[in-house]
Amino acid sequence: ETGVTQSPTHLIKTRGQQVTLRCSSQSGHNTVSWYQQALGQGPQFIFQYYREEENGRGNFPPRFSGLQFPNYSSELNVNALELDDSALYLCASSVILAGPDTQYFGPGTRLTVL
Amino acid sequence: AQSVAQPEDQVNVAEGNPLTVKCTYSVSGNPYLFWYVQYPNRGLQFLLKYITGDNLVKGSYGFEAEFNKSQTSFHLKKPSALVSDSALYFCAVRDMKSAAGNKLTFGGGTRVLVKP
Repeated sequence: ETGVTQSPTHLIKTRGQQVTLRCSSQSGHNTVSWYQQALGQGPQFIFQYYREEENGRGNFPPRFSGLQFPNYSSELNVNALELDDSALYLCASSVILAGPDTQYFGPGTRLTVL
Repeated sequence: AQSVAQPEDQVNVAEGNPLTVKCTYSVSGNPYLFWYVQYPNRGLQFLLKYITGDNLVKGSYGFEAEFNKSQTSFHLKKPSALVSDSALYFCAVRDMKSAAGNKLTFGGGTRVLVKP
């Protein structure tokens, strides 16, 4: 177990709705990254938060947004859901020190958009 | 831009035989390379990483990987596969010069099936 938890486990929404996914990072980790994994594909980087600020973003539209809280928990918000947003959403926590960090992943939230 | 290729969608191997999962990468700077494994309905589990130093990296559960700079490869290996190694394996790269935080770029994954 990595110590990274995500909620909910599964979620079903309809097109046009909004969704919030939650992540609790491993103790002591100051960085959280979010990834989208479509069925049969590798994870795609959405964005990263470090000390409550966005610290890098992948090729995702602005309707994907996030928050990181002082206790290093995090949220991923997706507005105006589209069918293609159906995927497994993974958060990963890490600690940025002087050298490269290893990202530890949570179990994911499976989002289905109907 | 950084990219990762895993040329095999699936690898089949008999239990007890050596297992190799291939990965090649492309980055503009020096790479950080990672291997993760994913079991059904689970997140990704970290296996090992290459940062610098010895080209042969040892990781969890008896896995190792060999970094080859001239071939831009980072193949995952296990000398003797177990049925419990059956899972989906992902190679990932982070470009040391990337401005996008510590973004990992993943390959498409290789499904490993170990038969008894």
